[in-house]
Amino acid sequence: EVQPVESGGGLVQPGGSLRLSCAASGFTFSSYWMSWVRQAPGKGLEWVANIKQDGSEKYYVDSVKGRFTISRDNAKNSLFLQMNSLRAEDTAVYYCARGGSTFRYWGQGTLVTVSS
Amino acid sequence: DIQMTQSPSSLSASVGDRVTITCQASQDTSNHLNWYQQKPGKAPKLLIYDASNLETGVPSRFSGSGSGTDFTFTISSLQPEDFATYYCQQYHSLPRTFGPGTKVAIK
Repeated sequence: EVQPVESGGGLVQPGGSLRLSCAASGFTFSSYWMSWVRQAPGKGLEWVANIKQDGSEKYYVDSVKGRFTISRDNAKNSLFLQMNSLRAEDTAVYYCARGGSTFRYWGQGTLVTVSS
Repeated sequence: DIQMTQSPSSLSASVGDRVTITCQASQDTSNHLNWYQQKPGKAPKLLIYDASNLETGVPSRFSGSGSGTDFTFTISSLQPEDFATYYCQQYHSLPRTFGPGTKVAIK
């Protein structure tokens, strides 16, 4: 079964940092683009970033450029999102999803709360 | 950025009803359009990809159509398990963008 599993969420103060992880199983991780999509409480879905199979291409939504970094470790079937300079508006459930365009499989999400 | 709009933002319907949701893109997206279903507390689920292709395992009562800037999502006969929020999403260009969602509630 294809199953991404996110971890690393939690409560962080404004200006702080957090690193999210996504452990992938059930598919050949190194063959797929991967993405992060977030959802603020009670709001809609927002694509955050994606990364090519070999990590050579990375793209971000404007609101996180320069603050967030997406990366991957194909040897460990893992996807990461390093989040720095966090703001209250970054509070959301962060989903790891397989694909860079069509998000066919999603994890269960991990909640990031930015608050003092 | 391509902006996505959906209408209606919410609707009430009964089991067995035919439900139609529209999605409009601010620019031509060809057929690079997906539809997702999300239930409370759960991750989204892909239902339709490339505007009109039914994802494997998804019931045939779900369908999609359209191209360019105007798209339609239809549930031919609403079932109890279909009460959820539905999102369209374009992948014609970066950043990938979602519509604001349509909440389908029980009448």
